[in-house]
Amino acid sequence: KAGVTQTPRYLIKTRGQQVTLSCSPISGHRSVSWYQQTPGQGLQFLFEYFSETQRNKGNFPGRFSGRQFSNSRSEMNVSTLELGDSALYLCASSLTGTNEKLFFGSGTQLSVL
Amino acid sequence: AQKVTQAQTEISVVEKEDVTLDCVYETRDTTYYLFWYKQPPSGELVFLIRRNSFDEQNEISGRYSWNFQKSTSSFNFTITASQVVDSAVYFCALSTNDPSGNTPLVFGKGTRLSVIA
Repeated sequence: KAGVTQTPRYLIKTRGQQVTLSCSPISGHRSVSWYQQTPGQGLQFLFEYFSETQRNKGNFPGRFSGRQFSNSRSEMNVSTLELGDSALYLCASSLTGTNEKLFFGSGTQLSVL
Repeated sequence: AQKVTQAQTEISVVEKEDVTLDCVYETRDTTYYLFWYKQPPSGELVFLIRRNSFDEQNEISGRYSWNFQKSTSSFNFTITASQVVDSAVYFCALSTNDPSGNTPLVFGKGTRLSVIA
């Protein structure tokens, strides 16, 4: 069974640009959640999608958005990038939600210059 | 609000030593779930264990063991006879059930374990 796939693995952008990250969950998993990891703040929850609906959202500005498609694949978008958005963005999938075992992807390392 | 505290930022041990990673959690919900994840240098978090609030039984899996104590709100993780391959960052995490449904996973800051040969 293929694991959680995140693309791209590395990304370099400049301030003001926007970026889209992609996550393909394990087949059959309907819940996809996103986390931002930085050395200072650690792992912080961004949002969770289940069956194309956003079920939970973390405390991030509106520049951070996401969506989930009918095949459970998910994308997150960050507009008007700031230097502080540089982080490892991790996607995780599970059958039904965040109370069960999560399967994580290897992440997308975003650098904003 | 939920909170997870991992007071140990970094631990260094010599191979074959036992090591315990501490985790203290805070929640007002009576139904909750505790987790440990391992993050090797590759970056991908790997699930180790899940415990619900109604199951205080300790668990052992090979060299790994977990001690869950509701009285002290702790969920500590012990590695027996540590090996170099155990070197990683370990995260404790908490999720709860509140009236609105599942809450997102809240992570501690992590403990970086270095096992020296």
